[in-house]
Formats: sequence, structure tokens, C-alpha cells
Amino acid sequence: AQSVTQLGSHVSVSEGALVLLRCNYSSSVPPYLFWYVQYPNQGLQLLLKYTSAATLVKGINGFEAEFKKSETSFHLTKPSAHMSDAAEYFCAVSRSGNTGKLIFGQGTTLQVKP
Amino acid sequence: DTEVTQTPKHLVMGMTNKKSLKCEQHMGHRAMYWYKQKAKKPPELMFVYSYEKLSINESVPSRFSPECPNSSLLNLHLHALQPEDSALYLCASSQGTSGAEETQYFGPGTRLLVL
Repeated sequence: AQSVTQLGSHVSVSEGALVLLRCNYSSSVPPYLFWYVQYPNQGLQLLLKYTSAATLVKGINGFEAEFKKSETSFHLTKPSAHMSDAAEYFCAVSRSGNTGKLIFGQGTTLQVKP
Repeated sequence: DTEVTQTPKHLVMGMTNKKSLKCEQHMGHRAMYWYKQKAKKPPELMFVYSYEKLSINESVPSRFSPECPNSSLLNLHLHALQPEDSALYLCASSQGTSGAEETQYFGPGTRLLVL
């Protein structure tokens, strides 16, 4: 069975500091992996996705993630945090069987301090 | 354009009311989804429609009734809801349900309050 674990339910960084949000997955088949961001009172916005092409994936708003099969990880990074990055971040893996189901992690709240 | 629209943005209803949520996409996507999201939690899948046919029902109570009139439109009919059904209801769509087609795009959600 596939699953996603996001390490750290709450991450706090200073403006301009590196952002690192951790995501580990388990999957019996090569996964498709996604990062979504949710701002308060809004829907989920796709940041980036891994679909078995390049292992380093660049997304919107300066975010990127690296797929590491040996570590079963797909951590999200951004070199320099901005106040507008404060939001909830969800990592997700697509479930095998071509059902369209996504398995979400529990989410990480990113706080950016001035 | 990766826009999914949802109406209304907010809805307050009593436990005896009947109301409907509406979702629309014009990206030519053939799969559409309803999710329920409680505060500080990830979205929980409720229903999946693929090519206008209900393909997944995650054991959702019958007081929630989905409908897919055409490939661009998805409704969620609500009847006799309970206060615990208060949540953010999200709609999503994807090109399909296999491989890279599974990338889901979400709407802004409908904030539902059941009194």
C-alpha cells in the first residue's frame, strides 16, 4: 500500500532563509509525486510534480523538489523564503491501479518570520 | 488555463435543507473529483467521476449525492446534513486517471456550515 509521511507538522523559517519541507513515501511501484500549497481559505494549488522524467523538478514560485529513490524522499526546497510563502503544504502520491486516487500526507504549516 | 471554478463560495444550511454545490472546468478533463477537507487536515476523497461515470464512492453517506451532467460539470447535492458535515468542499479535475494524466487541479472550494 502506498503512503506519504511529511516530517514536521509545523516549520518556521526567517524571511530569506532556506525552506526545506520533508516528504517520504512508500510505494510498491514507481510513483507519481506531487506537492500542493494551500493558502488560507483557498483550494489546493499544484506547485510541482514528479512523473518519472527528471529527478530534479522545478515548480512555481521558486520551489523545487528532488526525487531520491534510494531514500524514498521527495523533499521540497526554496532557497530564500518570502512572507507570501506562509501556507499549508501537502505532499501526495498517486495510488497505483489507475484510479486517480491521491494519497496525501498530513500537511506541513510553513511560517515565515520577518 | 488550469482553472476549476466552484459555486457558491460559502453556504450556510439547516439540517432539513436541500442545497447543491457546483463545479465546472473547461480544460477538456475527463475525470472529476469531490473532496471534503476539515481544518488543518488533508483533503479526503469522496467521489471520482471518469468519463461522466461514477468510478469511486468512498463509502460516503447517502445524504451526499453526486451528479455529472456532462464532462465539464460536476454537482454535489446535499440533503439532511449533520453539523459534522461542516467543512471545505473541494472539486478537482484531471485529464484522466492513469499515469501522468492523474495530475489533479483543484477549485477554490465551497465553505459549508451546517446549523
